[in-house]
Amino acid sequence: GNSVTQMEGPVTLSEEAFLTINCTYTATGYPSLFWYVQYPGEGLQLLLKATKADDKGSNKGFEATYRKETTSFHLEKGSVQVSDSAVYFCAPNPNNAGNMLTFGGGTRLMVKP
Amino acid sequence: ETGVTQSPTHLIKTRGQQVTLRCSSQSGHNTVSWYQQALGQGPQFIFQYYREEENGRGNFPPRFSGLQFPNYSSELNVNALELDDSALYLCASSIEAGSQETQYFGPGTRLLVL
Repeated sequence: GNSVTQMEGPVTLSEEAFLTINCTYTATGYPSLFWYVQYPGEGLQLLLKATKADDKGSNKGFEATYRKETTSFHLEKGSVQVSDSAVYFCAPNPNNAGNMLTFGGGTRLMVKP
Repeated sequence: ETGVTQSPTHLIKTRGQQVTLRCSSQSGHNTVSWYQQALGQGPQFIFQYYREEENGRGNFPPRFSGLQFPNYSSELNVNALELDDSALYLCASSIEAGSQETQYFGPGTRLLVL
């Protein structure tokens, strides 16, 4: 079946620190890959996506590269801000699953001033 | 702001009751998916509707059912509520049901079963 492994949180960083949140997945077929972010008390928002190998998704200073050979989609940001504090979810969308996302447990990021 | 709305925002029910949660998708979005997110966990896929027909289902019992209407609204119904049904229920809409489609999530309905 499809599954996602994310690094466990919480991840606590100081403002302007470098962020990496690891994500590896197992999925049948050739999935599209998504990162969603959930701010406190809210639903999920799309952060970025990549649809084929070596694609790099980017948004709001965050980046992730689709690595098919390692089945990974690690999220990075060069300089985090307090406003980035949230829970981050990696989600593969297998191409045989009709757009039914598989989520891991998420990684909580806490950024301190 | 994703253009997807859900109602109510919060709800309290007791065991054995029935509940209906509502979602309004973006105009033109033919696909709606429902997810259950227990506290501290990631969302779990319940089912998906495409053009008013169920298009896939996760590992949830039949007491979880849904409807999708032509006006881009949809419902999630849960019968015989159990304590473990307490969770945030999220709906997400997309234009089509393909794997490259972005899903746009609503803010969720938080259900508490006592």
